[in-house]
Amino acid sequence: DVQLQESGPGLVKPSQSLSLTCTVTGYSITSDYAWNWIRQFPGNKLEWMGYISYSGSTSYNPSLKSRISITRDTSKNQFFLQLNSVTTEDTATYYCARFRAPFDYWGQGTTLTVSS
Amino acid sequence: DIQMIQSPSSMFASLGDRVSLSCRASQGIRGNLDWYQQKPGGTIKLLIYSTSNLNSGVPSRFSGSGSGSDYSLTISSLESEDFADYYCLQRNAYPLTFGAGTKLELK
Repeated sequence: DVQLQESGPGLVKPSQSLSLTCTVTGYSITSDYAWNWIRQFPGNKLEWMGYISYSGSTSYNPSLKSRISITRDTSKNQFFLQLNSVTTEDTATYYCARFRAPFDYWGQGTTLTVSS
Repeated sequence: DIQMIQSPSSMFASLGDRVSLSCRASQGIRGNLDWYQQKPGGTIKLLIYSTSNLNSGVPSRFSGSGSGSDYSLTISSLESEDFADYYCLQRNAYPLTFGAGTKLELK
């Protein structure tokens, strides 16, 4: 069965960079699909952040384009989110999800707090 | 960006009720609309894709319909496990955008 599991630091200081990892089991991220990051803010608004495709191409939400990078380690079947210059507005639960219209598998989410 | 307006934002219903949740897009999205359920604890689950296709394992009491910019999710007879948050997603154009959600609560 396909499973996705997010991991991250839990707490980041303002102006720093956040790095999150999504570990995928049961399916190779190089076989097919787009591998996405989605976040949910306090108050429950969901925002699509971007993806890395099975071929390695990326697409980002323009609202984040200058701060976001999604990369991968195919040997570990993992993909990563880096978000630079974080503020308290980036406090959210971050999900990774598999997508080929629609999002069919999601991780459980990891909570990230931005605070000094 | 395509804006997705869900209504109501919350509603109370009883076991066995038939309920319909609405999602309206700021422009036509050609049926590229999915519905997701989120229960307390955060797990997000795909219910319906491409307007009306039931995801594998989802009970048949769930159904979806719509076209153009107006879409709905219907639960024909509420069961206890259906009380949750529901979100629509448009994937007709990037950036993908979600509705703000409908919270379905037990009356």
